[in-house]
Amino acid sequence: QVQLVQSGAEVRKPGASVRVSCKTSGYSFTSYYVHWVRQAPGQGLEWMGVINPGDGGTTYAQKFRGSVTVTRDTSTSTVYMELSSLRSEDTAVYYCARDPRPYDFWSGSQGGWFDPWGQGTLVTVSS
Amino acid sequence: DIQMTQSPSSLSASVGDRVTITCRASPSISRYLNWYQHKPGKAPKLLIYAASSLQSGVPSRFSGSGSGTDFTLTISSLQPEDFATYYCQQSYGTLYTFGQGTKLEIK
Repeated sequence: QVQLVQSGAEVRKPGASVRVSCKTSGYSFTSYYVHWVRQAPGQGLEWMGVINPGDGGTTYAQKFRGSVTVTRDTSTSTVYMELSSLRSEDTAVYYCARDPRPYDFWSGSQGGWFDPWGQGTLVTVSS
Repeated sequence: DIQMTQSPSSLSASVGDRVTITCRASPSISRYLNWYQHKPGKAPKLLIYAASSLQSGVPSRFSGSGSGTDFTLTISSLQPEDFATYYCQQSYGTLYTFGQGTKLEIK
């Protein structure tokens, strides 16, 4: 079955960077978009960005441009999300999630949804 | 960016009640609207995609409707396991956004 398994919890100091991994299995890795979503304590869900594992192309929410980098390793079917210049406001649970629709050249990532999700990774930013 | 506004932000209801949650998009998003259920400590769960399609395995008491700017999620008869936070999410274009969430609590 399709699975997304994320790396474990991380603690960082302000100004540092963190990289969270999302290892996928059970499907053709290069054929499905993978998204990143976060939830800060007491807040709602926030979409961060998406990667096309086939060609590595990415799209980021405006808020995260310049601070988030999503990459992939096709040899291990793993997607990575790196967040730099961390602030206390970046303390959150970070989720990866797959769009279950196969990649389509014409529509790109438009019209997608998230299923399944990874289990979430807590990133704590504290001095 | 497309703005998504959910209402109400919180709701108290009883087991067996019929509940409706509303999501409004600005501007129009056709039918590119999805609904999720989120419980503390767990990953969100997809309920409805493309405005009205029920995800496999989701009970039929959940339903979605709408197009353009106005959408609804309806739970026809609340069950104890339905108390959670619900989010709408739009995917019109390549920049996605979520609504702010509706917390459904037991009355």
